[in-house]
Amino acid sequence: QVQLQQWGAGLLKPSETLSLTCAVYGGSFTNYFCNWIRQPPGKGLEWIGEINHSGNTNYNPSLKSRVTMSVDTSKNQFSLKVSSVTAADTAIYYCATSDGWYRIDPWGQGTLVIVSS
Amino acid sequence: QSALTQPPSASGSPGQSVTISCTGTSSDVGAYNYVSWYQQHPGKAPKLMIYEVSRRPSGVPDRFSGSKSGNTASLTVSGLQTEDEADYYCSSHAGSNNAFVFGTGTKVAVL
Repeated sequence: QVQLQQWGAGLLKPSETLSLTCAVYGGSFTNYFCNWIRQPPGKGLEWIGEINHSGNTNYNPSLKSRVTMSVDTSKNQFSLKVSSVTAADTAIYYCATSDGWYRIDPWGQGTLVIVSS
Repeated sequence: QSALTQPPSASGSPGQSVTISCTGTSSDVGAYNYVSWYQQHPGKAPKLMIYEVSRRPSGVPDRFSGSKSGNTASLTVSGLQTEDEADYYCSSHAGSNNAFVFGTGTKVAVL
């Protein structure tokens, strides 16, 4: 059974770069897309983007200019960077895998990232 | 890409049924049979409940069912139980440049 464990800095100042990493346990990278999804406090879910084992990416057009995703297949890990953060980027960030049926499952435990001066 | 539209809230008594709608466009919900539903309890990560409009992952009770007509998908929870009280989000594939678009979310209360 695939499980995800994520980590990264939880408190950032405006203009800094958000950086999170997610490790995949119990499964092969080649079968999935790796996604990042965020949820502002008390609000809904927003898909940030996806990356596959070959490094092919697909980003939400609304965030594309500030988002970079990468993958390290040797460690079964994938990462997210969001540049020039503002208070609007304050959210719980989830990593999650998806498959060809566009099922998002499983999800990581979530990381609360707060952007504040 | 705009979020899919869901009612903010829905409610029912234990044992009753509740249906949540998820309205998109001909570019997402109406174009693909890749509608999923997620249940989220407070402080927890979302959990997949329905995929491909009406399929249930292993372990999800058959009280949960999904359907779609045109640009609107629906989730029905039959025989409501107290543990069904949660937020529910739909999502749909939205084309090659937008793998996923989510709904606005619905808070289900079991009265």
